[in-house]
Amino acid sequence: TQLLEQSPQFLSIQEGENLTVYCNSSSVFSSLQWYRQEPGEGPVLLVTVVTGGEVKKLKRLTFQFGDARKDSSLHITAAQPGDTGLYLCAGPTSGTYKYIFGTGTRLKVLA
Amino acid sequence: NAGVTQTPKFRILKIGQSMTLQCTQDMNHNYMYWYRQDPGMGLKLIYYSVGAGITDKGEVPNGYNVSRSTTEDFPLRLELAAPSQTSVYFCASRTQRQGALDKLFFGSGTQLSVL
Repeated sequence: TQLLEQSPQFLSIQEGENLTVYCNSSSVFSSLQWYRQEPGEGPVLLVTVVTGGEVKKLKRLTFQFGDARKDSSLHITAAQPGDTGLYLCAGPTSGTYKYIFGTGTRLKVLA
Repeated sequence: NAGVTQTPKFRILKIGQSMTLQCTQDMNHNYMYWYRQDPGMGLKLIYYSVGAGITDKGEVPNGYNVSRSTTEDFPLRLELAAPSQTSVYFCASRTQRQGALDKLFFGSGTQLSVL
């Protein structure tokens, strides 16, 4: 069974600090996606990483896909209160059409 | 441009009751998914479908059933509701594109309480 484990589970930081969220699996994924979800809403796609070693930047957010395509990270520079939310990694399992989500990281950025 | 439409938005059930959560998409996607999300947690896959007449179990299928008679509709049925099924349920459809174009489209969710 393919699983996506995220760490940390919770993160509370001050505005302006940097942070990194990790998404790990023992299995290879053909791609991984990162979503952000706010209370009462569905997840919203932030980025898709496809190639091992790939780095993508979205303003203050930097996403990296591990060389072996088993892990990914999300780094936020100079966090802002607007970054507060639940961050989820997700991806298609190999050999099936299942699409699974990670355990989630709840981020709170204090002003 | 409706996308994925879920109904109802909220529902309270008594233990042992049954209900169907409706999901419809107008993007002609073959892949559709049902997830449940407990407070502060990630999404757990209940069932998925790769086309009309084809469904398969996800990570947490017990207590649920699905059907897929058309491309557009993917209802989720709860039989004999239990308090453990209290959760927020999301339906999603998925593009059949590869790599960076692979994307899920979500409905707005159904908040279900079983008391």
